[in-house]
Amino acid sequence: QSALTQPASVSGSPGQSITISCTGTSSDVGGYNYVSWYQQHPGKAPKLMIYEVSNRPSGVPDRFSGSKSGNTASLTISGLQAEDEADYYCSSYTSSSTQVVFGGGTKLTVL
Amino acid sequence: EVQLVQSGAEVKKPGESLKISCKGSGYSFTSYWIGWVRQMPGKGLEWMGIIYPGDSDTRYSPSFQGQVTISADKSISTAYLQWSSLKASDTAMYYCARRDGDYVTFQHWGQGTLVTVSS
Repeated sequence: QSALTQPASVSGSPGQSITISCTGTSSDVGGYNYVSWYQQHPGKAPKLMIYEVSNRPSGVPDRFSGSKSGNTASLTISGLQAEDEADYYCSSYTSSSTQVVFGGGTKLTVL
Repeated sequence: EVQLVQSGAEVKKPGESLKISCKGSGYSFTSYWIGWVRQMPGKGLEWMGIIYPGDSDTRYSPSFQGQVTISADKSISTAYLQWSSLKASDTAMYYCARRDGDYVTFQHWGQGTLVTVSS
């Protein structure tokens, strides 16, 4: 069982917006602004899409945005494109000795 | 250009030992933490642990403490993940990644090493 809870799947049509949630506790998501989001296409390494809750690395389209409210972080993708179809993982710092926890992952299907 | 290049796929038998590698280039290897992540077939990402090559300070996820050893040789800019006695349940893809900034910001990843353990 993953420490952070994500929906197993979400879907949307091209051009639409979707949001993926990532729920933790006050010991991780809610307690720190250290939340990252990763995109993973089949057979590929994860790619950083969002860091520190809402920051985008250079090269990541501004269609991708992140936010946090309480113990839940969210990744929003607007203007969905076919190439956005992938698995998405959230990650947070945790005050436990493990320091890092991942969500279980969300499969995004672009209809 | 920052690159992390991992060693190739491995096929091992239960009980055998294994050491896989992650070679960094294009940056100061001793100045960035290198983490390891497991991905079992069809499953999600799991945090294993992390090492600071500058002084070999190492932290393990409790789930992997005692099950693997993380090390680094800064003279050749290489981090390692090793097992002393593999199990079938160690079959997975293993990724190394460079920590860039805060605790969970990993912008640079290796290509992954597939480890298959089967009798």
